[in-house]
Amino acid sequence: AQTVTQSQPEMSVQEAETVTLSCTYDTSESDYYLFWYKQPPSRQMILVIRQEAYKQQNATENRFSVNFQKAAKSFSLKISDSQLGDAAMYFCASQQGGSEKLVFGKGTKLTVNP
Amino acid sequence: SAVISQKPSRDICQRGTSLTIQCQVDSQVTMMFWYRQQPGQSLTLIATANQGSEATYESGFVIDKFPISRPNLTFSTLTVSNMSPEDSSIYLCSALRGKTEAFFGQGTRLTVV
Repeated sequence: AQTVTQSQPEMSVQEAETVTLSCTYDTSESDYYLFWYKQPPSRQMILVIRQEAYKQQNATENRFSVNFQKAAKSFSLKISDSQLGDAAMYFCASQQGGSEKLVFGKGTKLTVNP
Repeated sequence: SAVISQKPSRDICQRGTSLTIQCQVDSQVTMMFWYRQQPGQSLTLIATANQGSEATYESGFVIDKFPISRPNLTFSTLTVSNMSPEDSSIYLCSALRGKTEAFFGQGTRLTVV
């Protein structure tokens, strides 16, 4: 069974600084996908970034990048130049290649201080 | 990206009653799902909504309590039946396009009193 662990219930960062959110996962599959979702107070889950397990290159989307360490089963999210609008719950999720289901971690609440 | 319209956005219901939540996607998707997110918690998958057939429920969730319909590729409903205060939660609809493109509705915040 898949599991996703986020060990940081809360994090805070100063505006314009960089913050890293941690995520570890466990899967017996070789084909899987990893995601970071953002959930602001509006409750809308928004995809931040996606990583295919077979790709060695870390995914990047503008100010968001991941550090994918496959052997360590680690998938951290780095947010550069943090903005007030980045404040939200961030959920790490995994999806096994043969399944359409997402398994979510417990989330990390990110606060951005002006 | 697909747009998912979910309604109602919130409701306060009396215990023992039922609430039906609707989810409409603006384009065809391969899969639709229903999640529960209890206060301050992560998302837990309730079931996969299958078009034209019975939904596939996850462990701990049963059809009698959470009947689901999906009459076509872009619409699904979730009913929370015989509600109790423990059912107070956010319910989220999700749709999958292709293999990994998942989209979410804005959720329904349900309070049972």
